[in-house]
Amino acid sequence: GAGVSQSPRYKVTKRGQDVALRCDPISGHVSLYWYRQALGQGPEFLTYFNYEAQQDKSGLPNDRFSAERPEGSISTLTIQRTEQRDSAMYRCASSNGAGAYEQYFGPGTRLTVT
Amino acid sequence: DAKTTQPTSMDCAEGRAANLPCNHSTISGNEYVYWYRQIHSQGPQYIIHGLKNNETNEMASLIITEDRKSSTLILPHATLRDTAVYYCIVRSANQAGTALIFGKGTTLSVSS
Repeated sequence: GAGVSQSPRYKVTKRGQDVALRCDPISGHVSLYWYRQALGQGPEFLTYFNYEAQQDKSGLPNDRFSAERPEGSISTLTIQRTEQRDSAMYRCASSNGAGAYEQYFGPGTRLTVT
Repeated sequence: DAKTTQPTSMDCAEGRAANLPCNHSTISGNEYVYWYRQIHSQGPQYIIHGLKNNETNEMASLIITEDRKSSTLILPHATLRDTAVYYCIVRSANQAGTALIFGKGTTLSVSS
């Protein structure tokens, strides 16, 4: 595709519900990253994949957060039993390979937990 | 990853050069300096990166000091659309697919 896309762009959910956020990386990009961004702060790393393998999930805040990329392309970030503190912008990025490659970011999903 | 220090905010007049400094005194030999910017609520946008030598592309120039402990991002002719938060990030190129560690960045305000 032309760029990284994410869906939905906005999600409002009630506390305790599960949500799934989707990321479509740039076609052919090997690496895919998830970040979370609170208002007024820089993006905070959550997890990343090379192909379908989850290489680092050290940034996931707790076990309610999980991510998958089963076929090495589209990725889903799932938050179970959402809490109000999970409200944030969730951003996905992809890059063309390992090492010194720039990351291209999607528009993000604004999650609001009420 | 090494940490970076940037001024919180800077102002620049439209048409003038914007020089954004960054200190990274603990940078390692295999770590690159990256610059990204974020305009309003959009996703971060890659600007430029370098290792030792100065770099230039269609967006900006990156000047890295000889000891690599600091760098300056130069926007040669700033426009109103360059108003954004600019992030200086140090990142290892050795490990495959390393994440970007964002600090607070510099908020650049370009005015007419």
